Amino acid sequence: SQTIHQWPATLVQPVGSPLSLECTVEGTSNPNLYWYRQAAGRGLQLLFYSVGIGQISSEVPQNLSASRPQDRQFILSSKKLLLSDSGFYLCAWSRLAGVESFGPGTRLTVT
Amino acid sequence: DQQVKQNSPSLSVQEGRISILNCDYTNSMFDYFLWYKKYPAEGPTFLISISSIKDKNEDGRFTVFLNKSAKHLSLHIVPSQPGDSAVYFCAAWKGGSEKLVFGKGTKLTVNP
Repeated sequence: SQTIHQWPATLVQPVGSPLSLECTVEGTSNPNLYWYRQAAGRGLQLLFYSVGIGQISSEVPQNLSASRPQDRQFILSSKKLLLSDSGFYLCAWSRLAGVESFGPGTRLTVT
Repeated sequence: DQQVKQNSPSLSVQEGRISILNCDYTNSMFDYFLWYKKYPAEGPTFLISISSIKDKNEDGRFTVFLNKSAKHLSLHIVPSQPGDSAVYFCAAWKGGSEKLVFGKGTKLTVNP
């Protein structure tokens, strides 16, 4: 069976500090990978998605970036965090018919 | 342009009664519709889906109805249980697309 891991589970970072969130998927190959953010009381915002190694599509212009160095690894980064980057970050994967399975999420608080 | 809309941000229902969550969409090219359930501080979990060629899909207490002419779908939960209290997201997928389009979610509260 497939499993998706995200870490860390929670993170508190000061404004201006860098960010690196990691997501890995087990039990499948060549998945589509996604980063979403849920801000407080808001819906799911798609940030980035990737259909293969090194292929990144950005949905929302901002100070975040994503990379896919390996088939089942997806990384979300920032060089300098803003207060508005606070939120709940979710990694997801899919293989067919648009059904996406989500990871447990990372709660990021920027102070 | 919001292609998938959940116009009710919240819904409160008594335990044992029916919960009906609604979703409207604008793109008639969507092929699949999905419902996800999300508890606080957890990732959403897939609940039920329906193909655009069907008008109903049932799984236990959960039934999704699709009205293509009205571009409307609904999720029925019968009977509702306190454990169903969560945010429910409607999502749509178009064949060939790499991503889902999500609504903003409806927070369901089932009162004991």
